[in-house]
Amino acid sequence: DAGVTQSPTHLIKTRGQHVTLRCSPISGHKSVSWYQQVLGQGPQFIFQYYEKEERGRGNFPDRFSARQFPNYSSELNVNALLLGDSALYLCASSLVPGYEQYFGPGTRLTVT
Amino acid sequence: RKEVEQDPGPFNVPEGATVAFNCTYSNSASQSFFWYRQDCRKEPKLLMSVYSSGNEDGRFTAQLNRASQYISLLIRDSKLSDSATYLCVVRSQGNLIFGKGTKLSVKP
Repeated sequence: DAGVTQSPTHLIKTRGQHVTLRCSPISGHKSVSWYQQVLGQGPQFIFQYYEKEERGRGNFPDRFSARQFPNYSSELNVNALLLGDSALYLCASSLVPGYEQYFGPGTRLTVT
Repeated sequence: RKEVEQDPGPFNVPEGATVAFNCTYSNSASQSFFWYRQDCRKEPKLLMSVYSSGNEDGRFTAQLNRASQYISLLIRDSKLSDSATYLCVVRSQGNLIFGKGTKLSVKP
């Protein structure tokens, strides 16, 4: 069975641009969470979605938004990119919130 | 105070050594506890859950002290393949809170 998949793998953007990252959960998993991992730090929680509804939000500015689709895939959007948004963006899926989370390989975003 | 704090590391040890990782968490209402392993430029992977009674999986032993809000991971007879960053993780209000991680390098 396929694990969590994310696209793209790598991305380079310029300050002020917008970016959309995509995630497909493990088949049968209905919950998706997004994390940001800056170099040298642990992952930091951004959002959790379950059944297309936001179930949790971390301490991130409104420039960050996300949504979940009927097939349980998800998008993370970041507007008005800043240099500090450069990070590895990880998606994790679970059967339902509170169950074990499985991480995808991440999207490495570089903002120049 | 950070929600989850770990030894800063890095730890550089010879093969066969015993290594101990320590972690403290600030939210006494935290529900679940885990150790994740992250290889360089890869995603985190669950190493083991941590239970109040302590639990062991081969060379790995995890302990939880809820009164002290302290979690530990012990690796015995370390192997070259154990080289990675070890992340202490706490589930609070349904979400995973990660520590900064402690890097382990096992040398021949």
